[in-house]
Amino acid sequence: AQTVTQSQPEMSVQEAETVTLSCTYDTSESDYYLFWYKQPPSRQMILVIRQEAYKQQNATENRFSVNFQKAAKSFSLKISDSQLGDAAMYFCAYLGSYGKLTFGQGTILTVHP
Amino acid sequence: NAGVTQTPKFRVLKTGQSMTLLCAQDMNHEYMYWYRQDPGMGLRLIHYSVGEGTTAKGEVPDGYNVSRLKKQNFLLGLESAAPSQTSVYFCASSYPSGRASYNEQFFGPGTRLTVL
Repeated sequence: AQTVTQSQPEMSVQEAETVTLSCTYDTSESDYYLFWYKQPPSRQMILVIRQEAYKQQNATENRFSVNFQKAAKSFSLKISDSQLGDAAMYFCAYLGSYGKLTFGQGTILTVHP
Repeated sequence: NAGVTQTPKFRVLKTGQSMTLLCAQDMNHEYMYWYRQDPGMGLRLIHYSVGEGTTAKGEVPDGYNVSRLKKQNFLLGLESAAPSQTSVYFCASSYPSGRASYNEQFFGPGTRLTVL
């Protein structure tokens, strides 16, 4: 079974600065997807960024980028130029067979003005 | 285009009562899922469906039943609610997984259930 571990229960960052959230996973599959989801206080799950395992190039979406290390099974999220609206719970998730998502425990991100 | 909707948004039950949570999607997705979210544990898969008329167990299926009679609807039932089922429940839907497919899961707004 796949497992996803987020070892940082809480992180904080100053507005306009950069923060990196960590995620590691364990799998025996070779083809899979990895995601970062954002969950603000509204509870809505919002997809931030997606990485396909067979692509070596790291995904980027505006201020959000990932560092995908397939051999190390590591998938970190970097948020540049942090904004107050980035404050939320962030979940790392693994997508394998049958489209089943396995989530990490989550990291609460606080952004200080 | 409403996406994924869930009914109800909030519910309080007494131990032993039953209820059904309704999930509906208007995106013609094949796959649908039910998750529960508990503090410190992320989202965990309860049951899922890969198509109309099919259901399968996820990581934490005990105490729940599901049905997928119509492609657009996925129902989650609690036959005899227990305090351990107090949680936030999310429904999601997606296209079939595969390299050529768009694999994002679209989530509903969640249902907060409290069992006293």
